[in-house]
Amino acid sequence: EDQVTQSPEALRLQEGESSSLNCSYTVSGLRGLFWYRQDPGKGPEFLFTLYSAGEEKEKERLKATLTKKESFLHITAPKPEDSATYLCAVQAYNQGGKLIFGQGTELSVKP
Amino acid sequence: DAGVIQSPRHEVTEMGQEVTLRCKPISGHNSLFWYRQTMMRGLELLIYFNNNVPIDDSGMPEDRFSAKMPNASFSTLKIQPSEPRDSAVYFCASSSTRQGGPNQETQYFGPGTRLLVL
Repeated sequence: EDQVTQSPEALRLQEGESSSLNCSYTVSGLRGLFWYRQDPGKGPEFLFTLYSAGEEKEKERLKATLTKKESFLHITAPKPEDSATYLCAVQAYNQGGKLIFGQGTELSVKP
Repeated sequence: DAGVIQSPRHEVTEMGQEVTLRCKPISGHNSLFWYRQTMMRGLELLIYFNNNVPIDDSGMPEDRFSAKMPNASFSTLKIQPSEPRDSAVYFCASSSTRQGGPNQETQYFGPGTRLLVL
C-alpha cells in the first residue's frame, strides 16, 4: 500500500535556526513527489515537484531533496513568515493523478 | 490569473440537509480533484475527473456523496443527507496534463469550503 509519513509532527525554531523536515514514502513506482505549504484557513500552496532520486530544487530559504525512500525539505535561516504546515505528497504511476498526502509538519518560527 | 474558485467558503447546516459544494477550476486545466481534510485523516482524495469524466471515485465515503462535472469550468460535490461526521474542509484542485511532461501534473488547490454539520 502506498504510504507517506512525515516527521516531526511539529517543529519549533528560532529565527535563523536552520533545520530539515522529513518525508518518508513507500510507493509502487514513483511518478512525482510534491511539497506544499498550507497556512491556517487556506488551501495548500504548491512549492516543489521532484521526479527522481538525486534531484534538488530551491526556492528562497527552502531546498527540497529526494532519495529512493525519502525527501527532505531543508529550511535555511528561517523567518517567522515561514511558519506554516508543510505537506508532502506522492503520485504513483499506477494511480493516475491521485496524490497521497502525509499528515504534515507544523513549523513555527519565533522571532 | 484567477486560481481555483470554491463556493461557499463556509457552510453550516443541520443533519439530514443536502449540501452542495461548487468549484471552478483554473482555465485550461483538464483535471479536477475533490479532497477532504480532517484532523484525524489529513487530506484524502474523494474523486477526480479528467476531461470532465470521473476517473477514480474510490475515495467517496458512501452513496450519500456524489460529484458531477457538467463542463470544463464547473464541478459540484453533493452530500445528501449530510451527517455530523461529514464536517471537514473540502478542497478542490485542478491540474493540466499539458504542463511539464505528459505524466507530471501539478495540482493547484482552491481555498476550501469549511463544512459544519450540526
